[in-house]
Amino acid sequence: GESVGLHLPTLSVQEGDNSIINCAYSNSASDYFIWYKQESGKGPQFIIDIRSNMDKRQGQRVTVLLNKTVKHLSLQIAATQPGDSAVYFCAENLSGGSYIPTFGRGTSLIVHP
Amino acid sequence: NAGVTQTPKFQVLKTGQSMTLQCAQDMNHNSMYWYRQDPGMGLRLIYYSASEGTTDKGEVPNGYNVSRLNKREFSLRLESAAPSQTSVYFCASSEGGGLNEKLFFGSGTQLSVL
Repeated sequence: GESVGLHLPTLSVQEGDNSIINCAYSNSASDYFIWYKQESGKGPQFIIDIRSNMDKRQGQRVTVLLNKTVKHLSLQIAATQPGDSAVYFCAENLSGGSYIPTFGRGTSLIVHP
Repeated sequence: NAGVTQTPKFQVLKTGQSMTLQCAQDMNHNSMYWYRQDPGMGLRLIYYSASEGTTDKGEVPNGYNVSRLNKREFSLRLESAAPSQTSVYFCASSEGGGLNEKLFFGSGTQLSVL
């Protein structure tokens, strides 16, 4: 099966709410995790990253949490806006000489005004 | 700064036809990648080039060939297109050589094989 996966394929929220997108990974050797945002008709775009020696990292309105014990990653978006509507992918970098990111299937975030 | 540029944006082929997808990056990145994206399947790696002069197979290389023409350009060729190759293709690049492999993507090529 996939080493990186998402719990929910679609997440619907109201504008102004906080959104939480989850991601599970299976490879405990993964060192680096990235969240990408893909808007309709465009390529994925980097949002935020986190290394395995960290539990939390904050950006502008986004926070990534890493729980290595249960191999779980989450992306929190504060005060979700219509412009946040997109598909969100988590990607893990597998260590051991290969630095090719492996992507999950993605979660579609729909923000209702 | 254009980033990663892919051409064409759209293409329709008949089964058995060949074509080459072009990709160029202007960020002086060492590594380049080709992914395909199918509904519900996420992004799957076809081929990658860790550095100029090298190419390696990814998860789904069958039916494709690549050429790292120079540091800037990485092309993907379909020698005999099949309907199963209908997909959206993304080229990406990264600095390469380190742990933090943040990818920069092009805008994609939507390919339909009839």
